[in-house]
Amino acid sequence: GAGVSQTPSNKVTEKGKYVELRCDPISGHTALYWYRQSLGQGPEFLIYFQGTGAADDSGLPNDRFFAVRPEGSVSTLKIQRTERGDSAVYLCASSLSPNTGELFFGEGSRLTVL
Amino acid sequence: DAKTTQPPSMDCAEGRAANLPCNHSTISGNEYVYWYRQIHSQGPQYIIHGLKNNETNEMASLIITEDRKSSTLILPHATLRDTAVYYCIVRALEAAGNKLTFGGGTRVLVKP
Repeated sequence: GAGVSQTPSNKVTEKGKYVELRCDPISGHTALYWYRQSLGQGPEFLIYFQGTGAADDSGLPNDRFFAVRPEGSVSTLKIQRTERGDSAVYLCASSLSPNTGELFFGEGSRLTVL
Repeated sequence: DAKTTQPPSMDCAEGRAANLPCNHSTISGNEYVYWYRQIHSQGPQYIIHGLKNNETNEMASLIITEDRKSSTLILPHATLRDTAVYYCIVRALEAAGNKLTFGGGTRVLVKP
């Protein structure tokens, strides 16, 4: 079956612009996660959804970052007024439930802010 | 979640076993040890996890010391495709949200 799908795979934008990154999780997976990975570092947790609600958004760096999952499936990570420091690979993962222990990751969306 | 310590890098020979160490000396009784790997330009991939017993699956074996303060991931016959960054993560399974906290991992290079 299909894995976690993320679009776009690459996004180049200018400082100050608005960006949306989309994640399509594995069908039936109720939990969805966003991570951010800078070059040479491990993934950094941003936000976790259980169903439609954000159960833990403690990793969002500031209020320029926001994520939604309105129907409990596809999620969109939104970044306002992008800064050069936002450049990273944004990874999405899903799991069958919050307690399975196994997250399935997509290949990520590489964001470059010029 | 307890912190983990891994060597930043290691090389191993193709066809030989690769033994990847991880120290988690502050692990709590309800915390599991998870291993993920990340091949270049891909998202992390789950490998295996365990609580206190040794575990084996089609990808690897996980050996956890009796005091649970360290563990070793064993790739029995390393191939070039096993070149990746390997992450050792400790978390409580019943913790809300199943959030994983990644460290720097070990960059493993399998050489022919």
